[in-house]
Amino acid sequence: GAVVSQHPSWVICKSGTSVKIECRSLDFQATTMFWYRQFPKQSLMLMATSNEGSKATYEQGVEKDKFLINHASLTLSTLTVTSAHPEDSSFYICSATVPGGRYGYTFGSGTRLTVV
Amino acid sequence: QQQVKQSPQSLIVQKGGISIINCAYENTAFDYFPWYQQFPGKGPALLIAIRPDVSEKKEGRFTISFNKSAKQFSLHIMDSQPGDSATYFCAASIAGTASKLTFGTGTRLQVTL
Repeated sequence: GAVVSQHPSWVICKSGTSVKIECRSLDFQATTMFWYRQFPKQSLMLMATSNEGSKATYEQGVEKDKFLINHASLTLSTLTVTSAHPEDSSFYICSATVPGGRYGYTFGSGTRLTVV
Repeated sequence: QQQVKQSPQSLIVQKGGISIINCAYENTAFDYFPWYQQFPGKGPALLIAIRPDVSEKKEGRFTISFNKSAKQFSLHIMDSQPGDSATYFCAASIAGTASKLTFGTGTRLQVTL
């Protein structure tokens, strides 16, 4: 089946620093990747959609300068939280898909970010 | 128009019972309806998905019932087990997997002994 690897699984950083989260499709080429944010006991909130080789499309209300997304290859997308603040603490999840593909949307295992 | 409404918010079922979670959508352009299971601290995992050309799909203990005219779909978990205790999300997308998923609000299922 399709596997998406997300790294790191958890990270603690100091306020004002930047953190990079990686999302890799291990056994398929993901033309499209999605980044979500999830608060405790809430649903997934889509932050942005990224297509390989093009700029990410951000959802309304998501600061593109704060959440930098790069999808440089068909197997790797990164989310960088810049100048992190405690309110950025959350669970971040990536998802990858191949339009019309057999396995639909495959999700990573998520990254717990804590900003102190 | 992009919303997917999910109910109930939480559900307690005895072991061996049937768990039923319902979702309703508004956008008739949706054509892919997956259900995801999520354990604490993990990403969602696909359970089962359906397209609007069928009214029911069964995989093991999991069944999706789909009512196109009512714009509703539901997940039935037969013979519920304690290991099924998790949060379940319905979702919908347009054009299969080519576009973003719209998620329901989630249902926390607890299966008791």
